[in-house]
Amino acid sequence: EIVMTQSPATLSVSPGERATLSCRASQSVSSNLGWYQQKPGQAPRLLIYDASTRATGIPARFSGSGSGTEFTLTISSLQSEDFAVYYCQQYHNWPLTFGGGTKVEIK
Amino acid sequence: QVQLVESGGGVVQPGRSLRLSCAASGFTFSSYGMHWVRQAPGKGLEWVAVMSYDGSKRYYAESVKGRFTISRDNSKNTLYLQMNSLRAEDTAVYYCAKDGGLGLRRFFDYWGQGTLVTVSS
Repeated sequence: EIVMTQSPATLSVSPGERATLSCRASQSVSSNLGWYQQKPGQAPRLLIYDASTRATGIPARFSGSGSGTEFTLTISSLQSEDFAVYYCQQYHNWPLTFGGGTKVEIK
Repeated sequence: QVQLVESGGGVVQPGRSLRLSCAASGFTFSSYGMHWVRQAPGKGLEWVAVMSYDGSKRYYAESVKGRFTISRDNSKNTLYLQMNSLRAEDTAVYYCAKDGGLGLRRFFDYWGQGTLVTVSS
């Protein structure tokens, strides 16, 4: 099983600032990596797939990069609605696995 | 617009069974793989199972293999999860999720709102 590790666990950021979230895979997943946003009491929402492709309707302030074992989700200028938990997910191998999440909170 | 509506959750005793359903609309259900993903209270996401668009492929997480069965009825646009021999650690919100592309892309582009399953005596 591929283990996904996200860091940091919590990120404190002021509105308007840049946020950089990291995700590491225990072995190469090529570009088979997605990012999801989850707000309290809501279902997750797909942000990024194939490591860097924004999903339908996702604002341009969200961007993804990386390949192999190291990936980054960048939110260029945090808006109030962006404070949430973010998960990465690999889909290179079965079973599909998620990282433990990064909570982005208001500083 | 894509809609996924789960039902069938509730409180069940350990060792008993439960069947979840997911009613889909707003897309051609019979063309897409469908997944179940769960989230224990206060915890992260765990993929549970997937069925391909035509039912020919099914994959399961090790934690549920042999106890859970995923199925679908394309004539009813509905996905199912039969859960047997339930354990306390199966307590979670269960989400139905649409696969992200034709074939089996294995990421999730739309999610339902989830149904809570609580396994407790």
